[in-house]
Amino acid sequence: SAVISQKPSRDICQRGTSLTIQCQVDSQVTMMFWYRQQPGQSLTLIATANQGSEATYESGFVIDKFPISRPNLTFSTLTVSNMSPEDSSIYLCSVAGTGGSMNTEAFFGQGTRLTVV
Amino acid sequence: DQQVKQNSPSLSVQEGRISILNCDYTNSMFDYFLWYKKYPAEGPTFLISISSIKDKNEDGRFTVFLNKSAKHLSLHIVPSQPGDSAVYFCAASEGGSTLGRLYFGRGTQLTVWP
Repeated sequence: SAVISQKPSRDICQRGTSLTIQCQVDSQVTMMFWYRQQPGQSLTLIATANQGSEATYESGFVIDKFPISRPNLTFSTLTVSNMSPEDSSIYLCSVAGTGGSMNTEAFFGQGTRLTVV
Repeated sequence: DQQVKQNSPSLSVQEGRISILNCDYTNSMFDYFLWYKKYPAEGPTFLISISSIKDKNEDGRFTVFLNKSAKHLSLHIVPSQPGDSAVYFCAASEGGSTLGRLYFGRGTQLTVWP
């Protein structure tokens, strides 16, 4: 299994500002993902964070709005840029893939509850 | 378009009874399915999974059934306990033996009352 530390756990931000969310894993993982859960909605994949290269974004999400870094196999950041109230959501880091159970299940951080005012 | 659907937003069950949570999917390429449980202010935690080569997988009180022809799976919890009260997410992957990105349903809020 993997232990994921996601920071901050919650924040209230002013519109127009940016917030960077950090995801630290206690072991090396192949895959890291960033999801968003809007109120009453499913978890939607924003992007796959690729180590040493640009992230792979899903339809509807762009790098300028959600820049992602992954400098190594245990750490990634997601930035929510130029925030608006519509960005108020829970943002979740997820990891998978180094062998054992990590190849058959994905693990999640506790999430970052973002409120934009 | 939602490829994984959980059409019941909520389910209420008495303690000791069976809870049945349902999930439908549209993508025939999905070959691996997972159920996650989520408590408030926590991230989803893995519960049980099933590969498309099986039609049933059991782990203690939790059993997942897969009907590929109907593109339907269900999670059975027997007996239900108050601590099972949480939001349950169905997820699917087309990663085969290597888990890739997951597609999630909207979740079902299960309430188990004494």
